[in-house]
Order: sequence, then structure tokens, then C-alpha cells
Amino acid sequence: GQQVMQIPQYQHVQEGEDFTTYCNSSTTLSNIQWYKQRPGGHPVFLIQLVKSGEVKKQKRLTFQFGEAKKNSSRHITATQTTDVGTYFCAGQVPSYDKVIFGPGTSLSVIP
Amino acid sequence: NAGVMQNPRHLVRRRGQEARLRCSPMKGHSHVYWYRQLPEEGLKFMVYLQKENIIDESGMPKERFSAEFPKEGPSILRIQQVVRGDSAAYFCASSTSVGRNQPQHFGDGTRLSIL
Repeated sequence: GQQVMQIPQYQHVQEGEDFTTYCNSSTTLSNIQWYKQRPGGHPVFLIQLVKSGEVKKQKRLTFQFGEAKKNSSRHITATQTTDVGTYFCAGQVPSYDKVIFGPGTSLSVIP
Repeated sequence: NAGVMQNPRHLVRRRGQEARLRCSPMKGHSHVYWYRQLPEEGLKFMVYLQKENIIDESGMPKERFSAEFPKEGPSILRIQQVVRGDSAAYFCASSTSVGRNQPQHFGDGTRLSIL
């Protein structure tokens, strides 16, 4: 069946560092969404990418959708302690009436 | 516009009892999704419903679990004869539709604890 994977599963980052996480699908997607869940909270929608190669920026976050629409990346600059949480990507498969969530990348920040 | 409302926020049940979790979607949303999340784990899809219809229940256990989204009122996730392994956070999300690339809006979740 369709699968969405995220790399890495855990990320420990020094405050102020930049880093990138990845989301990979086993099949072509019609769109991809990113969500953030703070510890003890609920997932909150961040952004959606629809077009092949699309790049969107949101403050210190940059999201990209791959040319083949099978993967996505999330780059963060100057990590802050407020960035702590789990980041989920979710892909929608064309003609399939469901959004598939990845297992998430859990970010911890070292002050 | 009120967000997705879930109640109760916390629910404690003894083994063998029934648990009823409620979810009122955002105004104007006709699609509801239920997810289960264990501590330190991802979101596990359970069921997707539209008004009065179950569209996809492939993630829901065949026994003891059921879901509905009636024409009037909230969506209900019902767990009968609960066991310790049912302890988890249950999140509900809603959207206007799937086909139009709409994001899902999540409620605060119900934390279910089984004694």
C-alpha cells in the first residue's frame, strides 16, 4: 500500500543551527501538507504544496515539493527553542480519498 | 469561526466499560477523520466519515470500535469493552473536502486512560 516516510525520526539540534528533514512517498502525490504538533498539543496545519518543484517560505521555514511529486523537504534556519515539536508531512494520493500521514520527525533543541 | 471541538478532553474508564468520544467539526466542514496516537508515536488513521456515511474505516479495528457522523450532531467514536491497550490520545480532524486539497483542522484530542 501507499506509504509516507520521514527522515530522520528524531533530530537533536543546537539552538541557532540550520537543518533539513525529508518526507518521501512510495507513490506520486497530488499535494503534500506539513503539520506541527507541540508536546502535549494537537497537530496544526503549517503549509500545503501542490505544484511540482514548488517552494514556499514561512518565516524561518522553507518547504519544497520534489519535481516528481514524491518527496518534500522542510528546511529551518536559526533553530529556536520554540521550534520544539513533532513535524508531520501528509500526502494525498491522486484518486484516493485519503491523506496519508508520515510518522513524524521529533525535534528537540539544545539551548 | 470555532475550531474543531472534542470532548471530553480526558476520559478515564475501567476495563470492560464503554468509551464515547465526541467531535464537532468546524462550521462548514463536512468531512471528519479520527486518528489515534500513542505516546511518542505518530498519528494512526482510523476512520474517515462524511455526513451519514463511512467513507474509509480501513484503520479501525474490526471489533469493539465503531464511528458515526449523523446528519445532526457531532461525530462519535465508540469503543466498547475497553482494554488497557486502548489508552491513547484520540484526535479528530475536519476539512471541507479531500478532493479540493483542503488541509485538516485538528481538535485538542481526547486522552483516554484505561484503569
